[in-house]
Amino acid sequence: EPEVTQTPSHQVTQMGQEVILRCVPISNHLYFYWYRQILGQKVEFLVSFYNNEISEKSEIFDDQFSVERPDGSNFTLKIRSTKLEDSAMYFCASRGGGAGETQYFGPGTRLLVL
Amino acid sequence: QKEVEQNSGPLSVPEGAIASLNCTYSDRGSQSFFWYRQYSGKSPELIMSIYSNGDKEDGRFTAQLNKASQYVSLLIRDSQPSDSATYLCAVTDGDSNYQLIWGAGTKLIIKP
Repeated sequence: EPEVTQTPSHQVTQMGQEVILRCVPISNHLYFYWYRQILGQKVEFLVSFYNNEISEKSEIFDDQFSVERPDGSNFTLKIRSTKLEDSAMYFCASRGGGAGETQYFGPGTRLLVL
Repeated sequence: QKEVEQNSGPLSVPEGAIASLNCTYSDRGSQSFFWYRQYSGKSPELIMSIYSNGDKEDGRFTAQLNKASQYVSLLIRDSQPSDSATYLCAVTDGDSNYQLIWGAGTKLIIKP
């Protein structure tokens, strides 16, 4: 069964460093998402991406963040100059093209900023 | 501000009993409704989706939707210890229908 994959599963970085989180969405999906979940808190929407551009972003997704689809399969989240409060699980999700279709989640990347 | 409300729990249910999870949402334009299960440290996993008023059954799970009351519920019959998890309710944003509005989740504990 097709699935969303994410790498790395864990990332430890020093405050101020840049990190790139990688995702491979399900191959025929058209919409891609990044979410964040701080330990013990709710899932928070960061950004959605469609047709090679950002379709929506939340207040969390400030200039520190960027997304890219560098080729036909990968979808990346870059966090510049990481802060301690960026420590969280980051989930990638993808969905097909129809309205209301299910979003399927990857296993997540646990980011720890020291 | 569009909201999805869930009781945070924990909801404790004996093994074999019915677990009932509830969710209310504020956006009258929401069209699609989802229940995800999340084990600690893992990603959300889809349990049920429902799009029209009434009940939808899938194995031990039944989703119920009442758009007039803006209410969605999930029933788990014959609860098993493996059902212990946090259950997240998500509804589509009525303005876009491509974004989800998430509840904070209800922690369910099934006691053997």
